[in-house]
Amino acid sequence: GQNIDQPTEMTATEGAIVQINCTYQTSGFNGLFWYQQHAGEAPTFLSYNVLDGLEEKGRFSSFLSRSKGYSYLLLKELQMKDSASYLCAVLNDYKLSFGAGTTVTVRA
Amino acid sequence: KAGVTQTPRYLIKTRGQQVTLSCSPISGHRSVSWYQQTPGQGLQFLFEYFSETQRNKGNFPGRFSGRQFSNSRSEMNVSTLELGDSALYLCASSFTGQSSGNTIYFGEGSWLTVV
Repeated sequence: GQNIDQPTEMTATEGAIVQINCTYQTSGFNGLFWYQQHAGEAPTFLSYNVLDGLEEKGRFSSFLSRSKGYSYLLLKELQMKDSASYLCAVLNDYKLSFGAGTTVTVRA
Repeated sequence: KAGVTQTPRYLIKTRGQQVTLSCSPISGHRSVSWYQQTPGQGLQFLFEYFSETQRNKGNFPGRFSGRQFSNSRSEMNVSTLELGDSALYLCASSFTGQSSGNTIYFGEGSWLTVV
């Protein structure tokens, strides 16, 4: 089976940094994705990790440790538009298994 | 470069009817997968196609079916609609559906309401 856990909600102040953790236990692993989803919209791709380590992309970074079944998404210099749900997903056998999502609220 | 295109965007159907949703992947992408998103269950995998072959299927009843055409476009069909089928149906595409830097992109989705 697939078990992917991430916190339900997080709140942070504009300009701050927030780290969203994701732990997973899956029967197989071909990579880990992070998506951003605003209310009423489709998920948009943020990052992808298949090897251990840190991937940096502008204000967003993602880290993966396959041995620990752990990933995090780091959002720096938070902006109001970053208020959204962030989804952690594991790819295995052509299928993405998603966590329930973390709702991030950015306050002024 | 056009993204993943889904049609229709919104639709309302009556219980017992059937519905067909369409997806055109990003040009060059041959893997198309479908997901259902509901507030209670989150995002759940329906099926994945590559070169007209279904390679994986999620835990949904047989009322949910799909297919892929030779141009990589895909359709999914839900027959005998139930109220619980009301959801956002998302299509995603990638070059091969596997790893090795293969980004998976989602379309804007089809909002289905069953009344």
